[in-house]
Amino acid sequence: DAKTTQPPSMDCAEGRAANLPCNHSTISGNEYVYWYRQIHSQGPQYIIHGLKNNETNEMASLIITEDRKSSTLILPHATLRDTAVYYCIVRVASGNTPLVFGKGTRLSVIA
Amino acid sequence: DGGITQSPKYLFRKEGQNVTLSCEQNLNHDAMYWYRQDPGQGLRLIYYSQIVNDFQKGDIAEGYSVSREKKESFPLTVTSAQKNPTAFYLCASSTDPPGIKAYNSPLHFGNGTRLTVT
Repeated sequence: DAKTTQPPSMDCAEGRAANLPCNHSTISGNEYVYWYRQIHSQGPQYIIHGLKNNETNEMASLIITEDRKSSTLILPHATLRDTAVYYCIVRVASGNTPLVFGKGTRLSVIA
Repeated sequence: DGGITQSPKYLFRKEGQNVTLSCEQNLNHDAMYWYRQDPGQGLRLIYYSQIVNDFQKGDIAEGYSVSREKKESFPLTVTSAQKNPTAFYLCASSTDPPGIKAYNSPLHFGNGTRLTVT
């Protein structure tokens, strides 16, 4: 079973920041938080991952609480192309472990 | 360009026939994975392979078989024993070398094969 909890759906106005929450209250010390997204009928796309510190890349920012029990993915300026299902996943640090997907959050960016 | 190729994009078969889905990667990744996705659901793990000539069952391996004879190829056979084979099948790979810890290479996914069995 997935070890994360996400809201099933969210809306965001185009140009505004999209903040997607994720709860992972049973996360272990050696587990990272990963975010992927899946646009309809395509394979999932990696967005970002982190352990303890906040992370930022060209796509998004990841904010992890100090106790590591929850995190937020931030898309700073959402566009219509960001409409997708977003998956928050915890994964152990050792190599080559599969990802366990939940149902994710369906983000709809509205013009 | 490097990537993962799944072919064909759409596949149709009659019930009772085995069918093999292709997955090829030219990323030099050690590990490869097969997932299944049903409408409105997340992905579920079928099989994965961390190294050539070795593979492990995932959560829903029954009715499926795989082989990993080459690093770049990980074909999935959907057998007639799979009760509900119609689904979207996704292949992925990652680069973590076996035995090295604290290395968190993301999975790279192909664009999937949509299998319809009637």
